[in-house]
Amino acid sequence: EVQLVESGGGLVQPGGSLRLSCAASGFTFSSYWMSWVRQAPGKGLEWVANIKQDGSEKYYVDSVKGRFTISRDNAKNSLYLQMNSLRAEDTAVYYCAGSTVTRDYWGQGTLVTVSS
Amino acid sequence: DVVMTQSPLSLPVTLGQPASISCRSSQSLVYSDGNTYLNWFQQRPGQSPRRLIYKVSNRDSGVPDRFSGSGSGTDFTLKISRVEAEDVGVYYCMQGTHWRTFGQGTKVEIK
Repeated sequence: EVQLVESGGGLVQPGGSLRLSCAASGFTFSSYWMSWVRQAPGKGLEWVANIKQDGSEKYYVDSVKGRFTISRDNAKNSLYLQMNSLRAEDTAVYYCAGSTVTRDYWGQGTLVTVSS
Repeated sequence: DVVMTQSPLSLPVTLGQPASISCRSSQSLVYSDGNTYLNWFQQRPGQSPRRLIYKVSNRDSGVPDRFSGSGSGTDFTLKISRVEAEDVGVYYCMQGTHWRTFGQGTKVEIK
């Protein structure tokens, strides 16, 4: 059974940091592009970042460039998102997603709340 | 940035009747490799998104054949041939040609 389990969310003050993790199982993690997608409360979906299978390419939405860093550890079947200088507008459920052309998997999400 | 515009944003439908959602992009989604990276996602209430369609018209594994995708260039459509109760939720188009951008979402509900 394919599973993507996010962790690391929580309440953080503006300007603070959080590191999200995503543990993958049930598929060949190292063969998949991996992504973080977020959804603010009651809002639509926004692609945050993605990373190539071997980690050699990383892409970010403009609003998080310079603040967020995506990384992966294929030996541990894990994806990460280091989030620094957090802002109120970063408040959202963060989903981990893995994809190939013909396969697409999503986790259940972890809530990040940025508030004082 | 590529803007994806969906219509309608709210779609009340009768069970067993067809439904159609339009998605337009601000620029062509044909990639240099000749493929068009336009996907459709479904998000049921309280659930994570799920991809239904990839590259315009290809159904993901396990997706019922009442879902179909079509279109080209900048205009795309998701059709549900006969709406069932389990189809209630929000549907998003997403382009993957010029990085990644989602449409605003279309909420499908039963009349």
